Amino acid sequence: KNQVEQSPQSLIILEGKNCTLQCNYTVSPFSNLRWYKQDTGRGPVSLTIMTFSENTKSNGRYTATLDADTKQSSLHITASQLSDSASYICVVSAGGGATNKLIFGTGTLLAVQP
Amino acid sequence: DVKVTQSSRYLVKRTGEKVFLECVQDMDHENMFWYRQDPGLGLRLIYFSYDVKMKEKGDIPEGYSVSREKKERFSLILESASTNQTSMYLCATGGTVYGYTFGSGTRLTVV
Repeated sequence: KNQVEQSPQSLIILEGKNCTLQCNYTVSPFSNLRWYKQDTGRGPVSLTIMTFSENTKSNGRYTATLDADTKQSSLHITASQLSDSASYICVVSAGGGATNKLIFGTGTLLAVQP
Repeated sequence: DVKVTQSSRYLVKRTGEKVFLECVQDMDHENMFWYRQDPGLGLRLIYFSYDVKMKEKGDIPEGYSVSREKKERFSLILESASTNQTSMYLCATGGTVYGYTFGSGTRLTVV
């Protein structure tokens, strides 16, 4: 069964600190992996997309890693800001073609406190 | 930037009402999707469409129907709203080539 599991479910950190969110997946065939940020009451916004051959990708203070052998990904946030408070969702694409299936994790809720 | 616009941010409807959720995208994308998002369950695909007048069932189509009369517009219809359809509804467009862009969501409450 295709599954995406994220940990932790929720996380509280102080402003300025770093944190790492985890994503484990069992999806076949793997196409790509995306991290989304979802602010409360808004739709998800893409942060990074990684294909099978990519190990690391950065977007400002966000750095995503992918280990295709262990089927794990992480999202590292550096020097957190209050605006980083959101839900972070890991999404894995299964199959190929324009309508390949998206498998969503349930997200990690991050709260950054002053 | 691709924009995906959902017509309502918040809706409150009564049980048994027919509900229309509208989604419009301003790029020429063939694929459009409707998801619902519930706490602890993540996003679940209700229906998707890969062309005008074409539709495919997703993982949880029961109680819903869709309409795609124009390329830019994808409507989700709750034929007879029930309380278990209270949820956040998200429209998206895109695909493997373009990536996926989501609308801001419609928070539907059925009372």
